[in-house]
Amino acid sequence: GENVEQHPSTLSVQEGDSAVIKCTYSDSASNYFPWYKQELGKGPQLIIDIRSNVGEKKDQRIAVTLNKTAKHFSLHITETQPEDSAVYFCAATSYSGAGSYQLTFGKGTKLSVIP
Amino acid sequence: GAGVSQSPSNKVTEKGKDVELRCDPISGHTALYWYRQSLGQGLEFLIYFQGNSAPDKSGLPSDRFSAERTGGSVSTLTIQRTQQEDSAVYLCASRDRLAGYYNEQFFGPGTRLTVL
Repeated sequence: GENVEQHPSTLSVQEGDSAVIKCTYSDSASNYFPWYKQELGKGPQLIIDIRSNVGEKKDQRIAVTLNKTAKHFSLHITETQPEDSAVYFCAATSYSGAGSYQLTFGKGTKLSVIP
Repeated sequence: GAGVSQSPSNKVTEKGKDVELRCDPISGHTALYWYRQSLGQGLEFLIYFQGNSAPDKSGLPSDRFSAERTGGSVSTLTIQRTQQEDSAVYLCASRDRLAGYYNEQFFGPGTRLTVL
C-alpha cells in the first residue's frame, strides 16, 4: 500500500518568513495530493491540492510543487501570519476501481508562526 | 450549508465497555470515511462506505471495531470491549463522489475518546 513520509514534524518561523513542508510517497500510481490544515479542536480542512499532471499550483500565499519522478511534493507558505499556526497534513491517493480510493496521510507538521 | 457533524464531541469510558460514535455527513454526499487520529500521529484510515457497495473495511484494526451506515446517510462506528490503546480522536469525512474523482473530503470536528 501507499506510505507517506512528512518532514519536519515541527516548524517554527518568524512572522513574515516562509515555511516549507515536504512529503514523499511510495506508490507511483498515486495521482492526487491534497494538503490539509488542522486547527486545535477542529477537523482537517483542505487548503490546496495538486493532480499528477501538474507540477506546481499556487493560491495566494500558498503553493504546492510535485515531482513525480522523485515521488515528492512540498507545501510552501509565504509571508506567514500567526493565523497560519496549525498542524498541516499531506496526503496521497490512488484510484482502486469501482469509485473506491483512499487517502494515506503523513504524520503532520506542527507549524508555529512567532509574531 | 451544514457540514459534517459528529457526536459526542468527547467520550470517556472505562476499559471493557462498548462505545458508539455517530457521524452525520453532508447531505447528498455518497462517500463516507472513518479515520483515527492518535496523539502526534497522522490520520489512520479505518473504513470507507460508498453508496450501496460493500464497505472497504481494510483499515479496521481488530474485530472489536465495526461500522454501519444506515440509509446511505448517518454512520455509527462501534468499538466493543474498549482498550486504553483505543484512546484517540475519531474523525469522519464525507465526499461527493459524483462530483468526480479529484474532489475534497470534508471532515467533521471529531470525537475524542478516552478509555480509562
